Amino acid sequence: NAGVTQTPKFRILKIGQSMTLQCTQDMNHNYMYWYRQDPGMGLKLIYYSVGAGITDKGEVPNGYNVSRSTTEDFPLRLELAAPSQTSVYFCASSYTTSGPQETQYFGPGTRLLVL
Amino acid sequence: QQPVQSPQAVILREGEDAVINCSSSKALYSVHWYRQKHGEAPVFLMILLKGGEQKGHDKISASFNEKKQQSSLYLTASQLSYSGTYFCGTETDSWGKFQFGAGTQVVVTP
Repeated sequence: NAGVTQTPKFRILKIGQSMTLQCTQDMNHNYMYWYRQDPGMGLKLIYYSVGAGITDKGEVPNGYNVSRSTTEDFPLRLELAAPSQTSVYFCASSYTTSGPQETQYFGPGTRLLVL
Repeated sequence: QQPVQSPQAVILREGEDAVINCSSSKALYSVHWYRQKHGEAPVFLMILLKGGEQKGHDKISASFNEKKQQSSLYLTASQLSYSGTYFCGTETDSWGKFQFGAGTQVVVTP
């Protein structure tokens, strides 16, 4: 298993540009998450999904959009990039049947710089 | 509300012990602990559930006080490999919504 994979590893965007961060997992996990981590800070939840077709906002969803058309893929869309979106973005997944969350497995991250 | 971690940082010599605390203002369904090394993704250490069940690392222990809405992670006989930033993550009022604390940086020196 490759686990959770993210592309690209690093990207520079100009202000106002748009891009999609890709996330794929091959563990048949139902839950998937997008976090951002600013330098020296903790992880902030952007969006999460409990299964294909179901997504919900986290703490910091403004400026981002997501979709979950398949179990494996959970892309994160940035519209009109701003310098405040400079961060490292982590995708994670877990398998949870009912009740509390199970272990989250993280991808390697995408470093985004908006200039 | 983000869980609060303390201390912010701790420096240890190999073999010393440390405790990292995580507290929440809301009732907790579960507490997760992760460790992140510089430039890497967070890695799972432990899950603590209401009712006392624990899942995770066999060399790192933790406790969960449901009444006080607190969890503590115990680093015993620390090793150099324990260096990194430790995050607690909490699940409170909605399944799936997860919040991480700001992290505790641990440096273990020879």
